[in-house]
Amino acid sequence: DTGVSQDPRHKITKRGQNVTFRCDPISEHNRLYWYRQTLGQGPEFLTYFQNEAQLEKSRLLSDRFSAERPKGSFSTLEIQRTEQGDSAMYLCASSLSGRDTQYFGPGTRLTVL
Amino acid sequence: GNSVTQMEGPVTLSEEAFLTINCTYTATGYPSLFWYVQYPGEGLQLLLKATKADDKGSNKGFEATYRKETTSFHLEKGSVQVSDSAVYFCALSAYYGNNRLAFGKGNQVVVIP
Repeated sequence: DTGVSQDPRHKITKRGQNVTFRCDPISEHNRLYWYRQTLGQGPEFLTYFQNEAQLEKSRLLSDRFSAERPKGSFSTLEIQRTEQGDSAMYLCASSLSGRDTQYFGPGTRLTVL
Repeated sequence: GNSVTQMEGPVTLSEEAFLTINCTYTATGYPSLFWYVQYPGEGLQLLLKATKADDKGSNKGFEATYRKETTSFHLEKGSVQVSDSAVYFCALSAYYGNNRLAFGKGNQVVVIP
């Protein structure tokens, strides 16, 4: 069991640029979640997938954000036209449906200059 | 909606002291309750969980009991070590639906030798 992995671990970008993050869940897990964590706060839910279907999106997920999980395995989160307010840690987690425990990756820390 | 409240502020204590971090929740139905720990520069690790009233979760000397009557899930450890220095998050997962996690703001714990 290799755990949840995320890439890159750190990303620095200029305002207005697009960025894409990748998450590889635990291999047999069919549920995948994205959360955002800002400094001094707990993680906040962004979106979740069951297999390849995106079943829920938080209102935090503006139309500049898009997430995919094309084959029900890895997922990508893209932010278009980044803003300084997008600076945060983006966390990915996975689980089996019907199980309440989520396992988190190390996160991608985004800094928008 | 579902929410979690953790006591305000960091916690600083000496090695071998007793640790308590308070957590209360608001939820419909019967959520599962979790404590996650985040070490510097890392993602969240599950510390312990409880899935129904009066259950006690325990791991690495930490304990928390699911109290439905007081809607609480306080974290305790009898004798902390320097290696326990981290940020601790209380979280809940809805009984139904997507099992997304709602987190408290977290408490920074600093253990001084």
